[in-house]
Amino acid sequence: AQSVTQLGSHVSVSEGALVLLRCNYSSSVPPYLFWYVQYPNQGLQLLLKYTSAATLVKGINGFEAEFKKSETSFHLTKPSAHMSDAAEYFCAVWSGNAGNMLTFGGGTRLMVKP
Amino acid sequence: GAVVSQHPSWVICKSGTSVKIECRSLDFQATTMFWYRQFPKQSLMLMATSNEGSKATYEQGVEKDKFLINHASLTLSTLTVTSAHPEDSSFYICSAERTGNEAFFGQGTRLTVV
Repeated sequence: AQSVTQLGSHVSVSEGALVLLRCNYSSSVPPYLFWYVQYPNQGLQLLLKYTSAATLVKGINGFEAEFKKSETSFHLTKPSAHMSDAAEYFCAVWSGNAGNMLTFGGGTRLMVKP
Repeated sequence: GAVVSQHPSWVICKSGTSVKIECRSLDFQATTMFWYRQFPKQSLMLMATSNEGSKATYEQGVEKDKFLINHASLTLSTLTVTSAHPEDSSFYICSAERTGNEAFFGQGTRLTVV
């Protein structure tokens, strides 16, 4: 069984400020972890993924996430928010077995204030 | 990266009619495809898992006679919303899984039933 919890359905930051979106997971097997971004009325775009290699994962648009097994966390960060970062962000976990589904967190809406 | 194309992006239909949504993996073969539904300001909810050449596996609470899924080839899965009603209006997203890799998402289909 696997599940994902995203703490905070809405996060608001000022432009230039640190972005921190929280994700905690549970999985019965070593997981693959993903962060996706969704802009209004669009599909999901992969930001980054953890697949059991380096625990600090760098993604697109300056985002990165760190896998912490002891905390069962995979928080997403960006040093300096940009207005274009405003979107919905989803954390997801996958067991890695073919045919098994991704399990998504509830999503976090990031708002960036000028 | 792998490309998944979903068509149409937007569709409006009259209540009582049927709508077909296509999901194609353009540059890889997908043995498994997933169909999700997303309500406004909510996360993705898995509707069904579609395996090529076999019947789809529906999640609890999803009406299989209303949401017909066909996965006739390794690159195409279709979702048909039959006898659509306004409450079926939603954002539908497909994903295709490439063996040993993560799932890739289509751009989504916004269905509005009037």
